Amino acid sequence: DTGVSQNPRHKITKRGQNVTFRCDPISEHNRLYWYRQTLGQGPEFLTYFQNEAQLEKSRLLSDRFSAERPKGSFSTLEIQRTEQGDSAMYLCASSPGLGGIGYTFGSGTRLTVV
Amino acid sequence: DAKTTQPNSMESNEEEPVHLPCNHSTISGTDYIHWYRQLPSQGPEYVIHGLTSNVNNRMASLAIAEDRKSSTLILHRATLRDAAVYYCIPHAGYALNFGKGTSLLVTP
Repeated sequence: DTGVSQNPRHKITKRGQNVTFRCDPISEHNRLYWYRQTLGQGPEFLTYFQNEAQLEKSRLLSDRFSAERPKGSFSTLEIQRTEQGDSAMYLCASSPGLGGIGYTFGSGTRLTVV
Repeated sequence: DAKTTQPNSMESNEEEPVHLPCNHSTISGTDYIHWYRQLPSQGPEYVIHGLTSNVNNRMASLAIAEDRKSSTLILHRATLRDAAVYYCIPHAGYALNFGKGTSLLVTP
């Protein structure tokens, strides 16, 4: 297993377009997380899945954002009608359990909205 | 989650020990103290965690104050590859609250 994989690594889109990011977690990890990181700040929690169930969503996750994890494997994060304020690094992580132990992060997808 | 206070930045010479402090005075009794680091252009990576006792692993040591209101991450011999942002995260549950962390600069 090569760790958590995120695609694409970079995405440039025009304001108003929809974008979708993919995350492939470590195969034996049943928990998956999405975070967003803007320049100079630490990552901020967006949402969390246990298997295919989305168990928690941050208030940062507006109605334009949707995440799925079909069959409890890979996950997608879609942003509809992108805004310039959506420009950020989107990080995915997976873990075998709760408690902050054993989180493995991907290298992220950097989104630039022009 | 408990609020943390870390220096914005620290500097160290290569091959010298580095002590990265963190104050977490509002930590609850069940919160573990986690440290993650983020190298440039990468996602965060786990460094170490502990509850009450000091902990050692191949990457670092974690010294936890007796009252648990502060902790110190110790890198015994800093290398250029240790230049990163280090995050102290008191945590229990599912979401890690990263804060801004300490940016460590290592000079040759």
